[in-house]
Amino acid sequence: GESVGLHLPTLSVQEGDNSIINCAYSNSASDYFIWYKQESGKGPQFIIDIRSNMDKRQGQRVTVLLNKTVKHLSLQIAATQPGDSAVYFCAENTGQAGTALIFGKGTTLSVSS
Amino acid sequence: NAGVMQNPRHLVRRRGQEARLRCSPMKGHSHVYWYRQLPEEGLKFMVYLQKENIIDESGMPKERFSAEFPKEGPSILRIQQVVRGDSAAYFCASARGAQTYEQYFGPGTRLTVT
Repeated sequence: GESVGLHLPTLSVQEGDNSIINCAYSNSASDYFIWYKQESGKGPQFIIDIRSNMDKRQGQRVTVLLNKTVKHLSLQIAATQPGDSAVYFCAENTGQAGTALIFGKGTTLSVSS
Repeated sequence: NAGVMQNPRHLVRRRGQEARLRCSPMKGHSHVYWYRQLPEEGLKFMVYLQKENIIDESGMPKERFSAEFPKEGPSILRIQQVVRGDSAAYFCASARGAQTYEQYFGPGTRLTVT
């Protein structure tokens, strides 16, 4: 199944379904956005990024959508697999040199076979 | 091509002891960021360093915490006189340069204070 709308702390889907994970960001000056995947006991792993001059970017099985009007970011995962089970975080950055990432609240994605 | 390395992976300290966390950035990266992650929360920025310089420590607690990134060797995050509230996962990320927004994370050090 899919989940669209406000941020949800957990999302459960069946293998093969599409997943949509949402994130609201706070800083209208943010210029750069990243989605990270964090598996249990590991560090965040880069998935995909997008600049503020774009509204969509596609990777392998993943798509990031950016809506600057409502300061909303989403990650779409096509044909979700059990290996996609993890916590997903969005992060924003103002794009100023040497600035840190600001992380949003994570969403735990659980994929059942 | 080794990624960001952190050690130790797990560290247990009693209250009042010192904790030293090490981070070796990716080859060719000279910028290091330290983040802290409390259970069930996202990562929070602590400090940003370049070789031999602290650039931004706005996220670092004013007392007991310090960080360095010497000319040779890993970056070190030091926590003196640890308290239970310091228990968390500490991650470092490295970047190639100041203009590089993509940060690569290490596996983290999980600090437990007993």
